Amino acid sequence: KAGVTQTPRYLIKTRGQQVTLSCSPISGHRSVSWYQQTPGQGLQFLFEYFSETQRNKGNFPGRFSGRQFSNSRSEMNVSTLELGDSALYLCASSLDSISGYNEQFFGPGTRLTVL
Amino acid sequence: AQSVTQLDSHVSVSEGTPVLLRCNYSSSYSPSLFWYVQHPNKGLQLLLKYTSAATLVKGINGFEAEFKKSETSFHLTKPSAHMSDAAEYFCVVSFYNQGGKLIFGQGTELSVKP
Repeated sequence: KAGVTQTPRYLIKTRGQQVTLSCSPISGHRSVSWYQQTPGQGLQFLFEYFSETQRNKGNFPGRFSGRQFSNSRSEMNVSTLELGDSALYLCASSLDSISGYNEQFFGPGTRLTVL
Repeated sequence: AQSVTQLDSHVSVSEGTPVLLRCNYSSSYSPSLFWYVQHPNKGLQLLLKYTSAATLVKGINGFEAEFKKSETSFHLTKPSAHMSDAAEYFCVVSFYNQGGKLIFGQGTELSVKP
């Protein structure tokens, strides 16, 4: 079974631009979560989608948004990029995470650099 | 507030010696607890998880962790370190009805000396 895939793996953008990252979950997984990893803040939860609905959201500004499609694939978008948005963005999928018991499987991440 | 604290930012051991990575959590509810490992330039891999069954949890690659409710701890151990164990380790907590929200510790970097 294929793992979680994320595209692109690397991105370089300039301040003020917007970016869209894509995540394909493991086949059969309906929950997709997004995390931001930086050296200073560590790993922080962005949001989670289940059956095309945002079910949980972290403490990030509205510039960060996402969506999920009927095939469970997910995208996240960051508008008006700032230097501080430079980070590794990780996507994770699980069968259903509502109980908190199902482990999440992580993709390799998208490394975003904002210049 | 729910949080998780990894007590050491960096641990260095010699190959063949035991590994202990310490983790404490703070929660009003019964948590699910996980340990993930991240090798350089790689994604996160699940080592083991605790979900209110046995308090001693065995994971992959010889790692295990013990859930101690009275101490609110979930320390990760391995009897004998291998060079390939060098990586960053994250203690992670999640809670019922909070869906996919994982709360990560700050990470412990494990170095293994030959």
